[in-house]
Amino acid sequence: EIVLTQSPGTLSLSPGERATLSCRASQSVSSGHLAWYQQKPGQAPRLLIYAASTRATDIPDRFSGSGSGTDFTLTISRLEPEDFAVYYCQQYTASPPLFTFGPGTKVDIK
Amino acid sequence: EVQVVESGGDLVQPGRSLRLSCTASGFTFDDYAMSWFRQAPGKGLEWVGFIRSKPYGGTPEYTASVRGRFTISTDGSKSIAYLQMNSLKTEDTAVYYCARAHLWNLQYYFDYWGQGTLVTVSS
Repeated sequence: EIVLTQSPGTLSLSPGERATLSCRASQSVSSGHLAWYQQKPGQAPRLLIYAASTRATDIPDRFSGSGSGTDFTLTISRLEPEDFAVYYCQQYTASPPLFTFGPGTKVDIK
Repeated sequence: EVQVVESGGDLVQPGRSLRLSCTASGFTFDDYAMSWFRQAPGKGLEWVGFIRSKPYGGTPEYTASVRGRFTISTDGSKSIAYLQMNSLKTEDTAVYYCARAHLWNLQYYFDYWGQGTLVTVSS
């Protein structure tokens, strides 16, 4: 089973700053089977990025994903007030089917 | 507008059963896989299981901790996915989310989520 590790655990930044979130896998994640989700308190997760770097529908272009193999990054170019939330990376293994999440990175207001 | 809405969460005693429902609208239900996730209080996200779309066999898959206790099924005529949970344990306490699973380039990603329903397992 692939284990995902996210760092840092908490990122304290101000609006307008750049956020760089890391997701590291214990084994190579094949074919970019890596997604990022945003979750705000009391809300469901929201898909941001899939296939490591493709923005989901209606996601602002300040969100970008990159990486391959075992190292992936979510970048928020300029933080807006609504971006303060918890971010999870998630990978998919096809055989057998298994979806695992990282523990999350909380982006909070400095 | 695509929507998924969960229902059925409740307080239940250990060892008992509960069935959750996920009612979908705004898309052709039979064309998509549906998945269940859960989030224990103050914890992260955990995948519970999913059921493939009818064109891909309509078969379910589960995470190890619920295999043999939980069953996912669908009723295409009603656009509902179910999560039947048997032999519930206190560690099953969580908010349960349903999500549409979109198959793209041999991978699934979860593009529409419900608001969640709370299951509390306690005596």
